[in-house]
Amino acid sequence: DVKVTQSSRYLVKRTGEKVFLECVQDMDHENMFWYRQDPGLGLRLIYFSYDVKMKEKGDIPEGYSVSREKKERFSLILESASTNQTSMYLCASTSPGMGRDYGYTFGSGTRLTVV
Amino acid sequence: GENVEQHPSTLSVQEGDSAVIKCTYSDSASNYFPWYKQELGKRPQLIIDIRSNVGEKKDQRIAVTLNKTAKHFSLHITETQPEDSAVYFCAASPETGGSYIPTFGRGTSLIVHP
Repeated sequence: DVKVTQSSRYLVKRTGEKVFLECVQDMDHENMFWYRQDPGLGLRLIYFSYDVKMKEKGDIPEGYSVSREKKERFSLILESASTNQTSMYLCASTSPGMGRDYGYTFGSGTRLTVV
Repeated sequence: GENVEQHPSTLSVQEGDSAVIKCTYSDSASNYFPWYKQELGKRPQLIIDIRSNVGEKKDQRIAVTLNKTAKHFSLHITETQPEDSAVYFCAASPETGGSYIPTFGRGTSLIVHP
């Protein structure tokens, strides 16, 4: 019962390419997030969105942008990929005011390699 | 903003032993503290959480304690089993408009030896 789906498990892109990472959730959650996960650094927030067409910067937004045209879909965009953006990218969603469901549901992740 | 420190980065125990992972946070406004378990190659999953009006919470072999005065919280796993081997992340977050944006610790790699 996969509820947060990331379109690609593995991606290899060239430096300078524009890269799109897609995330879709089927739980009607308002809030969606993009994190990157690097060994020893944990999960770092890139961008999040509270609603359609809304976006907020997280802790490390430089080099990234996002798009949320529909409630269920949240896209992460690397305008010009660089090697230091090689990482595991995790999408998550949640809905406010739902008791224990304050916790995130994560996608399976996209491992991006920029060469 | 919030800063979460997590220790140790690696924890190795024998099956049946207890394991304790400790986290500290900096923002006194934080009032929600989830813990996530990430098995190798899998997504993080919420295993237990605690809110600031509670000092301790248990769920079978896992428990979380919170000391708001000292700004630290801990995960306790008793009678560890090999399937407990994973990376564990703590997080702390204040509530903003009914939503939580947690700041994560760097993770603890727990290894349970059979």
